[in-house]
Formats: sequence, structure tokens, C-alpha cells
Amino acid sequence: EAGVAQSPRYKIIEKRQSVAFWCNPISGHATLYWYQQILGQGPKLLIQFQNNGVVDDSQLPKDRFSAERLKGVDSTLKIQPAKLEDSAVYLCASSLNRVGEQYFGPGTRLTVT
Amino acid sequence: AQTVTQSQPEMSVQEAETVTLSCTYDTSESNYYLFWYKQPPSRQMILVIRQEAYKQQNATENRFSVNFQKAAKSFSLKISDSQLGDTAMYFCAFGGSNYKLTFGKGTLLTVNP
Repeated sequence: EAGVAQSPRYKIIEKRQSVAFWCNPISGHATLYWYQQILGQGPKLLIQFQNNGVVDDSQLPKDRFSAERLKGVDSTLKIQPAKLEDSAVYLCASSLNRVGEQYFGPGTRLTVT
Repeated sequence: AQTVTQSQPEMSVQEAETVTLSCTYDTSESNYYLFWYKQPPSRQMILVIRQEAYKQQNATENRFSVNFQKAAKSFSLKISDSQLGDTAMYFCAFGGSNYKLTFGKGTLLTVNP
């Protein structure tokens, strides 16, 4: 069974630029999560999708971050414009349902200079 | 809001020995789940062990076991017969009624040969 795929693995941008991350969850997993993991901290949930609907985006900085999950499969997370404090690893995870075990992707390491 | 505290930023253990990682949490909920996740240097987060709060019996998975003390809101992870491959960041996580995971800051475990 293929795991959660994410791309790119690494990205370096300058502040005020835009960036997008892509996630392909495990086939059949209805729930998809985006986490932000700042160095030295645990992951923090940014947004949770159930199929193609948003369940929770209470910690998503909506002035600059956006996410979508078209057709309830792949998802993209966008940052526009990026700030220095957005430097982090962005993790995507998926689960069969909202109470199921979460499977994580390898993450995208973003550096904003 | 739930909080998860891991008071040991770093720990080390000799190969084949036993080590215990600590975790405490704060919640007003009575039904919830607790997890330990492992994040090796490659950064792919994987689930180590899961405990349902309504179960009194401590969960075990091969060399990994937990000591769940619900009244004390404590959830420690014991790793027996430590192996070099156990070297990783370990995160304690709380999953409540909203199915969101709240992570602690992590404990970096190094297994020495």
C-alpha cells in the first residue's frame, strides 16, 4: 500500500513570495490533515478535511494561508505572501475516518529567507 | 483547550536497556485517546502505540508499552531492549472528542551502542 505522498520535499523562497505544497493521501482515506511543525516543536494542526469539506481550520492563518481538497483526494496548501516565521516542515496526514490512525507523509521543509 | 507536556527534551539509553519517556496532559474530557508517535531523522512520523482512555489495561506493542494513569493524567512510554533504530524524536499526542490531535514538544531519544 502506497503511503502519503508530498511534494516538494524542500523549498526555499524569499519573504513575500508565494509557495504551494501538494499532498496525495492514502487511497480511500476520507480525512486529510495539514500540520505545521516548527523546529523544536510538535506538529500543530492547520486544517482538517473530511472528503472535500473543511472540518476544522481554526488555526489556519487565513490572511495568508489557503488550502483546498478538490474531489476529496489530493490537497494543496498555499502560502501567499510568505513570512520568515513560516519557515517550518509542513506535514500532510490522512486517515480512514476522523477517529482512525493518522498516517503521515515525509513532509515539505520550507525555508523563508 | 488540551495541553500536552513532555518534560524531557532529550534522553539517552544504552542499547538493550530500558528507557521511559514521560508525558502529562490536561483535559476536562472523559473520553479520549492518547498516542505516542516516533519521528526518525528522515522525518516520517509513525504511530508507535495508542491508548483509549476508557480502557484500564495498558497498551503494549512488542517492545513498547505504556503506563496510563488517568487520574494523574500521565501517559509514559516504556521502550524495552532498546535498539539503535529506536533513535528518534518521540511525540506524545492527545486526541479528544473533536478528533484533533494535540502534540507535545517531543523528546529526542538517542540509543547508544
